[in-house]
Amino acid sequence: NAGVTQTPKFQVLKTGQSMTLQCAQDMNHNSMYWYRQDPGMGLRLIYYSASEGTTDKGEVPNGYNVSRLNKREFSLRLESAAPSQTSVYFCASSEHLNSPLHFGNGTRLTVT
Amino acid sequence: EDQVTQSPEALRLQEGESSSLNCSYTVSGLRGLFWYRQDPGKGPEFLFTLYSAGEEKEKERLKATLTKKESFLHITAPKPEDSATYLCAVQPGGYNKLIFGAGTRLAVHP
Repeated sequence: NAGVTQTPKFQVLKTGQSMTLQCAQDMNHNSMYWYRQDPGMGLRLIYYSASEGTTDKGEVPNGYNVSRLNKREFSLRLESAAPSQTSVYFCASSEHLNSPLHFGNGTRLTVT
Repeated sequence: EDQVTQSPEALRLQEGESSSLNCSYTVSGLRGLFWYRQDPGKGPEFLFTLYSAGEEKEKERLKATLTKKESFLHITAPKPEDSATYLCAVQPGGYNKLIFGAGTRLAVHP
């Protein structure tokens, strides 16, 4: 049972480049999330999807877009990467919005 | 403003030396408080959910407790494999999202 799978594990981008982070879960969860984790700070919510077909902004959505492709997959897109987006990105899923989160192992993104 | 503060930032223990981690919160109502463990290079792993003051949950050497202003994660007779970063998160009432603290880095030495 894979749980939450994120790809890629590592990525280096130049300023202005675009990329999509992929996330898939096999637990039949309704809700999915994208967080970023920076040193000395708590995990911050970028976007979330309460259920298939819906997406909402979190605490730090600027510079990002998301797509809930189906119940299993939730992608995060950086249209024009900036050095401030250097971070570790975590995808998570939960049975519903008030349930405990299950996290993937993260994508380490560096923007130069 | 809703806020979560964890202390200490880092804690070094000898194997068998019991201690507690603190999570203080200021939120408008509390729907739930969550504890997670995070190993280096991995995503956080769920440990406990607490919903009301006075509630306690236990798992092996860990026990989580909750008051109206803070939660404690007590670690009894820790082992080196308990070394990790422990994250606390709160879900304010009427709000579907979690607010995470910055975590406590725990190192347990033999």
